[in-house]
Amino acid sequence: EVQLVESGGGFVQPGGSLRLSCVASEVTFSRYWMSWVRQAPGKGLEWVANINQDGSEKHYVDSVKGRFTISRDNVKNSLFLQINSLRGEDTAVYYCARVPTSGWFDPWGQGTLVTVSS
Amino acid sequence: DIQMTQSPSTLSASLGDRVTITCRASQSISNWLAWYQQKPGKAPKLLIYKASSLQSGVPSRFSGSGSGTEFTLTISSLQPGDFATYYCQQHSAYPITFGPGTKVEIK
Repeated sequence: EVQLVESGGGFVQPGGSLRLSCVASEVTFSRYWMSWVRQAPGKGLEWVANINQDGSEKHYVDSVKGRFTISRDNVKNSLFLQINSLRGEDTAVYYCARVPTSGWFDPWGQGTLVTVSS
Repeated sequence: DIQMTQSPSTLSASLGDRVTITCRASQSISNWLAWYQQKPGKAPKLLIYKASSLQSGVPSRFSGSGSGTEFTLTISSLQPGDFATYYCQQHSAYPITFGPGTKVEIK
C-alpha cells in the first residue's frame, strides 16, 4: 500500500515563502497525477493544485494562481508545492494525494501544517 | 465554478440507524463524484468514486448513488467508527470542488 509523507510546513510571516514536500513510497509514482488539497483550521477541504505524470500540465485554484507552484521529481518519487506571498488565509493543513484515475484522491498523506501570522 | 452543497450539515443518529447524506452540484457532473470520510485530526479517506463505486477495503454498508446534479451517500447500519465528517467532491471540471461537509454525530 502506497504511503505519502508530507513535510516542510511551519510558521511563517505574511509575505513569506515555504516549500512543501511529499514523498511517495511506491515505485509507480510516475504513473499518476498528483494533487495538493488544504484544510483551514475547523473548515472544509479545498483543492489547491494538480500536476500530471511528467509535470507538463498543471492546474490551480484561482486563489493561489501566481503564488503557488506545483512540481514533481519522478526520480525521487517526490511532489512539491512552492508557496510564496503567503497570506493569513493560506493557514491550513496541506495534504498531498494521489489521483488514481479520473480525479478522485486516494490515498492522502497525513498533512503538514502551514501557519501564516505576524 | 461548480458549487457543491450537502445536506444536512449535521446529522444526529444512533448505532444501527440507516443514514443518508445528500450532495448537489450546481450543474451536471455526470457521475464524476467521490465521497470521503474524515475523522478529527486525520486525513480524509476515500469511500466512493464515480458516484457509486465502492473503494477497495471500504465496508459494504457504505453505498453511493446518483448522477447529474443529485447524489446520495448511504450508510445502511451506522457503526461506532462511522461517526465522522463526510465530504463529496466533483472532478467533472476545474476547479475541483468539495461540498462543505456533513458531520455525523452520536444521538
